[in-house]
Amino acid sequence: DQQVKQNSPSLSVQEGRISILNCDYTNSMFDYFLWYKKYPAEGPTFLISISSIKDKNEDGRFTVFLNKSAKHLSLHIVPSQPGDSAVYFCAAVSGGSNYKLTFGKGTLLTVNP
Amino acid sequence: DTAVSQTPKYLVTQMGNDKSIKCEQNLGHDTMYWYKQDSKKFLKIMFSYNNKELIINETVPNRFSPKSPDKAHLNLHINSLELGDSAVYFCASSQGRRGYNEQFFGPGTRLTVL
Repeated sequence: DQQVKQNSPSLSVQEGRISILNCDYTNSMFDYFLWYKKYPAEGPTFLISISSIKDKNEDGRFTVFLNKSAKHLSLHIVPSQPGDSAVYFCAAVSGGSNYKLTFGKGTLLTVNP
Repeated sequence: DTAVSQTPKYLVTQMGNDKSIKCEQNLGHDTMYWYKQDSKKFLKIMFSYNNKELIINETVPNRFSPKSPDKAHLNLHINSLELGDSAVYFCASSQGRRGYNEQFFGPGTRLTVL
């Protein structure tokens, strides 16, 4: 039962353009969302997060948008750079589930020079 | 200095063997985790320890036994390895037991069971 879904396994964009990575969730008890980035042969690293009481959080080139009614969040990267090429995992937290992280399957982003 | 380290990085073994994976963090965090990333790429939590106390124990076969000798170490011992145990295992740590807190991951241990 996938509670966090990233339906696009991969995404390819040109350097300088916008990258939009999408994530859907089914559990309405999730109250905090995070994005992690993973390079090959490395562990995931935290990128950005958003609380369910907000609809937008921005950190430099990275912005996360949350649409609670649609149970949907997206990560925008502007402008995209070749170094952004990685797998991006969406994750969600619910206090009711002992605050554990539930991850999506990830989206492989390739930024072409 | 590596923040979260795991050994070994690769582990190839036969079915039925017993193996251990070690994890150490030098961040001073009070919570450590084991995650499994299977062939379908899902990253799923297995266990979590806070100040050496087990706080999350997902539906994992009891062949898997975590051990936390101190706050900086969380080891994973696997008995009677099966083909389905082949996966990448990630250790992570955080300050605070809640998933809201940023987790720092190790580089992973790729386990292959033949």
